[in-house]
Amino acid sequence: ETGVTQTPRHLVMGMTNKKSLKCEQHLGHNAMYWYKQSAKKPLELMFVYNFKEQTENNSVPSRFSPECPNSSHLFLHLHTLQPEDSALYLCASSQASGRPLAYEQYFGPGTRLTVT
Amino acid sequence: AQSVTQLGSHVSVSEGALVLLRCNYSSSVPPYLFWYVQYPNQGLQLLLKYTTGATLVKGINGFEAEFKKSETSFHLTKPSAHMSDAAEYFCAVSDTGNQFYFGTGTSLTVIP
Repeated sequence: ETGVTQTPRHLVMGMTNKKSLKCEQHLGHNAMYWYKQSAKKPLELMFVYNFKEQTENNSVPSRFSPECPNSSHLFLHLHTLQPEDSALYLCASSQASGRPLAYEQYFGPGTRLTVT
Repeated sequence: AQSVTQLGSHVSVSEGALVLLRCNYSSSVPPYLFWYVQYPNQGLQLLLKYTTGATLVKGINGFEAEFKKSETSFHLTKPSAHMSDAAEYFCAVSDTGNQFYFGTGTSLTVIP
């Protein structure tokens, strides 16, 4: 595998289900990100991890719970989601992030989530 | 507050014609600027970026962009459109914060 991989690519879940999204990067990066991409809206940054430590949480509802066990893996645990959470969830990685972000981010193909 | 404006959510050009996708930003400090492309069912891929130095930046697939501080713009151009350029294009800005700010995207259609 190369680059950034995400599984599953498609997920349909009911509002009472619990599921997890997985992201893995094979680039040797130290920063990882979760984004939400909804139609007609800018990409929304959800979480940032630097060296496994969460450094950003952009007021994301607690029904989304991230986990970063090491610099190569990132999870997004989902529970009791709402229909408006249906979107494409993108994972990205970069060299260690800083202020400002100078390093480009490498994106995975995304998980298309549908909440019914 | 940081913002990124991409004028025109949909742009259509004929194959071989000039591609011009517009991006304006607001920033109180010199920003870092990026253009990404997204093909259907794929993640975003970096086209080019400006951090410091020469204001005309060349990227992949024949694209280039020019940072104009006085106009707070970073427009993306390509002299001759190809069918394979049809995709969604995103402008992104990073300034003092620890994140990118993305525009809403411009969908490029190339007409044969």
